[in-house]
Amino acid sequence: GAGVSQTPSNKVTEKGKYVELRCDPISGHTALYWYRQSLGQGPEFLIYFQGTGAADDSGLPNDRFFAVRPEGSVSTLKIQRTERGDSAVYLCASSLLPGYQETQYFGPGTRLLVL
Amino acid sequence: AQTVTQSQPEMSVQEAETVTLSCTYDTSESDYYLFWYKQPPSRQMILVIRQEAYKQQNATENRFSVNFQKAAKSFSLKISDSQLGDAAMYFCAYVGQGGSEKLVFGKGTKLTVNP
Repeated sequence: GAGVSQTPSNKVTEKGKYVELRCDPISGHTALYWYRQSLGQGPEFLIYFQGTGAADDSGLPNDRFFAVRPEGSVSTLKIQRTERGDSAVYLCASSLLPGYQETQYFGPGTRLLVL
Repeated sequence: AQTVTQSQPEMSVQEAETVTLSCTYDTSESDYYLFWYKQPPSRQMILVIRQEAYKQQNATENRFSVNFQKAAKSFSLKISDSQLGDAAMYFCAYVGQGGSEKLVFGKGTKLTVNP
């Protein structure tokens, strides 16, 4: 596709439920990143994939959060037993190659609201 | 750990005038990149401009330019001939050579453009 796409655009769920957020990176981009943006804050890093493997998952807040990228393209961020504090915008980004010199291009995000 | 500070939560400018947004950062790394991203209400993070630390020349992109002061660890964004479409949140971001490709963001500056 022309840009990074994320689905759903908005997700409302109840406390304790399980949610999946999907990211489709720019075609051909090998690196993929997830960030979380709380209200009034800048995005914070969650996890980074090179191809199919998670190269850095140091930003995942706890073991309720998990992400996969099984074929090196689409990625899914999974949140178990959601809590109200998980409410935020979840942003996905991709870059053509791995490396700090590569520009990351962002999707429009998924706004998650946990009631 | 690297940090990025944006000391101006909000700024306003008259249409066609010039405005400067401030950003400072803290790092011990020798090579890194700095970015300004724009985030309109649509949530899409749009790359405005990027600067490599090793390049002494300040980056420019049309009406957008930066003042990169490496010794002072300062990276300000100047928007010339401001347009109504420039109204958005602006985030300063850092990524370094230290082994992780994660972007570190400031808290953002909300720019209002008055007609």
